Amino acid sequence: DQQVKQNSPSLSVQEGRISILNCDYTNSMFDYFLWYKKYPAEGPTFLISISSIKDKNEDGRFTVFLNKSAKHLSLHIVPSQPGDSAVYFCAASPEDSSYKLIFGSGTRLLVRP
Amino acid sequence: EAGVAQSPRYKIIEKRQSVAFWCNPISGHATLYWYQQILGQGPKLLIQFQNNGVVDDSQLPKDRFSAERLKGVDSTLKIQPAKLEDSAVYLCASSLGFASGYYTDTQYFGPGTRLTVL
Repeated sequence: DQQVKQNSPSLSVQEGRISILNCDYTNSMFDYFLWYKKYPAEGPTFLISISSIKDKNEDGRFTVFLNKSAKHLSLHIVPSQPGDSAVYFCAASPEDSSYKLIFGSGTRLLVRP
Repeated sequence: EAGVAQSPRYKIIEKRQSVAFWCNPISGHATLYWYQQILGQGPKLLIQFQNNGVVDDSQLPKDRFSAERLKGVDSTLKIQPAKLEDSAVYLCASSLGFASGYYTDTQYFGPGTRLTVL
């Protein structure tokens, strides 16, 4: 039972263009959403997050959008850089104060120079 | 500030053998997590500790997996006996935990231990 889904296993974009990574969730009890970035042979690192009371959060080149009615969130990277090439995981946390995370399967982003 | 440390980085064993992984969280972090990441999937939570108490172990296969966090700092995860399907990367993460007082609680991950069961 996949509660967090990333339906695109990979994405390739040109350097300088926008990268859009998508994530869908099924559990309406999720109230906090995060994106993690993972390089090979390293653990995931936190990138950006959004609370369910917001619909947008921005941090430099990274913006996360949340559409609660559609149970959908997306990560926009503008402009994309070759160093952004990594696997991006979407994660969600339920509103039970446990802080535990449920991860999607990841999207591998390749930014071409 | 030192990050989450894990050892070993790689381990190859035969099925039915036992194996143990070690994790040292970031100093001062009360909450510690063990995740299993199978190739092509996202990390799946196995067990969550708050200090040395278990918060959630609902997805830990308790017939073969065990974990402990003595003194509320380091933690070990053990598999005994291992099966082929246990081949995965085992990630340890830590966070400030409930004591943070924040609405959010960022988890910091170690580099993981890649286990191959032959």
